Amino acid sequence: GQQLNQSPQSMFIQEGEDVSMNCTSSSIFNTWLWYKQDPGEGPVLLIALYKAGELTSNGRLTAQFGITRKDSFLNISASIPSDVGIYFCAGRTGGYQKVTFGTGTKLQVIP
Amino acid sequence: GAVVSQHPSWVICKSGTSVKIECRSLDFQATTMFWYRQFPKQSLMLMATSNEGSKATYEQGVEKDKFLINHASLTLSTLTVTSAHPEDSSFYICSATGTDEKLFFGSGTQLSVL
Repeated sequence: GQQLNQSPQSMFIQEGEDVSMNCTSSSIFNTWLWYKQDPGEGPVLLIALYKAGELTSNGRLTAQFGITRKDSFLNISASIPSDVGIYFCAGRTGGYQKVTFGTGTKLQVIP
Repeated sequence: GAVVSQHPSWVICKSGTSVKIECRSLDFQATTMFWYRQFPKQSLMLMATSNEGSKATYEQGVEKDKFLINHASLTLSTLTVTSAHPEDSSFYICSATGTDEKLFFGSGTQLSVL
């Protein structure tokens, strides 16, 4: 199936640093979703974006829906050890349509 | 957020047996649920879309006779891996859409076929 291009694939950062990851697609999406997955668990929804240009925050997390509707980014400020995990972006064309997932960004935080 | 319950969390079975995985939306009705498969260090790959009261829609390359999906009610979808073989070993995850178009996931099922 189709996948979104997500970068970087992995990153190591020092605790306290800010993190940025992005997702790009050749297709337009109407909804962008960002998830975090811990090993052996299902993905947990972090942020949902519904409009082009929308900027939404959830605590230390901020995500934006790109103007072209073909991209989105996620920022994590002042990273902490529990931010470790794999982050996935996901795009959706309609309310009950299937979701296409990004390739994932593995985040490691060095204390 | 909405809660999706999936069980079992893990299952080990012998080759040739069938395994059923359940996915329930606990606090909302889900006319549509999705089943994903995930290999280690990879992203989620959609297997099928489960529609309440009708046949599931399978993605290309997914054997519908191998992976039986039943969505008998607005809160329950099941995935049955029939005649499981070692290559079916994987992490299976279900998801459901809430009323605000957000997609919520179950906790996943690790299947190991011996």
